[in-house]
Amino acid sequence: DIQMTQSPSFLSASIGDRVTITCRAGRNIITHLNWYQQIPGKAPRLLIYSASTLQSGVPSRFSGSGSGTEFTLTISSLQPEDFATYYCQQSYSANSFGQGTKLE
Amino acid sequence: QVQLVQSGAEVKKPGSSVKVSCKASGGTFTNYVISWVRQAPGQGLEWMGRITPILDMTTYAQRFQGGLTITADKSTRTVYMELRSLRYEDTAVYYCAMGEVSTGWQALWGQGTLVTVPS
Repeated sequence: DIQMTQSPSFLSASIGDRVTITCRAGRNIITHLNWYQQIPGKAPRLLIYSASTLQSGVPSRFSGSGSGTEFTLTISSLQPEDFATYYCQQSYSANSFGQGTKLE
Repeated sequence: QVQLVQSGAEVKKPGSSVKVSCKASGGTFTNYVISWVRQAPGQGLEWMGRITPILDMTTYAQRFQGGLTITADKSTRTVYMELRSLRYEDTAVYYCAMGEVSTGWQALWGQGTLVTVPS
């Protein structure tokens, strides 16, 4: 299983802030990296796949970048509904998730 | 519009097994991959395994090898996840999630099933 490590684990921010979350893979996963958002009590929601492609219906303030072993998720201007936990997921070899980043 | 509908909450004794179902209503699932992901209370997401119904092919995360079985009934569009030798640490919400065969991500998720294993 490929180890995925996110940083930071907790991120304090305010409405309107630009925030960036980093995800590192234990080995080269090319661009097989996906991002999910989870609100407490709800199932995860796919935001970005293949490192940088926005899933249909996801606001354009979300963006993803990176390749190889280092990836980032950026929210350009935080909105109230964005306070949630974010997970990266590799899909290069089966699946595995990062430990999550709680945005508060 | 396909929806994934999971079976209801379960309370199980340590050492027993649990079988959770995930039904694809409103469409087909044979051209998709169904994964199972669990989340212990207050913890992160853990990928457990997946099945490609059209190929009857399964892949399991290393830590679940031997203790987890995922099966599919194409006639009822239902996927099953059976976890054996339950321990307190298996208390979690179990999600099924669907993605296309050619991709590795999951765009559609079930509502989750809480499995509780009392200590």
